[in-house]
Amino acid sequence: EIVLTQSPGTLSLSPGERATLSCRASQSVSSSYLAWYQQKPGQAPRLLIYGASSRATGIPDRFSGSGSGTDFTLTISRLEPEDFAVYYCQQYGSSPETFGQGTKLEIK
Amino acid sequence: QVQLVQSGSELKKPGASVKVSCKAAGYTFTTHAMNWVRQAPGQGLEWMGWINTNTGNPTYAQGFTGRFVFSLDTSVSTAYLQIISLKAEDTAVYYCARDLLPFHGGATGFDPWGQGTLVTVSS
Repeated sequence: EIVLTQSPGTLSLSPGERATLSCRASQSVSSSYLAWYQQKPGQAPRLLIYGASSRATGIPDRFSGSGSGTDFTLTISRLEPEDFAVYYCQQYGSSPETFGQGTKLEIK
Repeated sequence: QVQLVQSGSELKKPGASVKVSCKAAGYTFTTHAMNWVRQAPGQGLEWMGWINTNTGNPTYAQGFTGRFVFSLDTSVSTAYLQIISLKAEDTAVYYCARDLLPFHGGATGFDPWGQGTLVTVSS
């Protein structure tokens, strides 16, 4: 099983700042089959990025994904108030599909 | 639009069973795999497995074998999760989530997700 470790656990930033979230895999993620999700309290997760760097439909271009192998990054270029949430990475290249433990992005 | 609508919250006693439904709309139900994901209170996301909506064949992640059953009714574009012999530790929100891409489109993330169904197990 591929273990995904996200860092930091909590990130405190202000609107307008740049956010960089990390996801490290215990072994290589095949074909960059990595996704990022955003989850707000009381809501279902929302797909942001798949294939490590492809934005899902309707996702603003301030969200970008990068990385390959074992190291992946989600970058939010300029934080908007609605971006403060919990973010999860997921690998779906090998079974079982696994999620990271999440990074909480909070307002500073 | 493409959407998944799940059944409402459930309160069950230990030892009982529950069946959660996930009705799909806005696309051809049998063209995309359906996944189930658990989120315990205050915790992260845990993939439970998936069901092939074309063949009905389920695949369960480790830890979700035996008491968890995935099924379909393709006539009403609905997937089901049944949990048998409920335990207190089954208390969680359960999500259905469709594969973004259709079968033969390659491995993919999940989109859309159902709104979630809270299952509470308490005596």
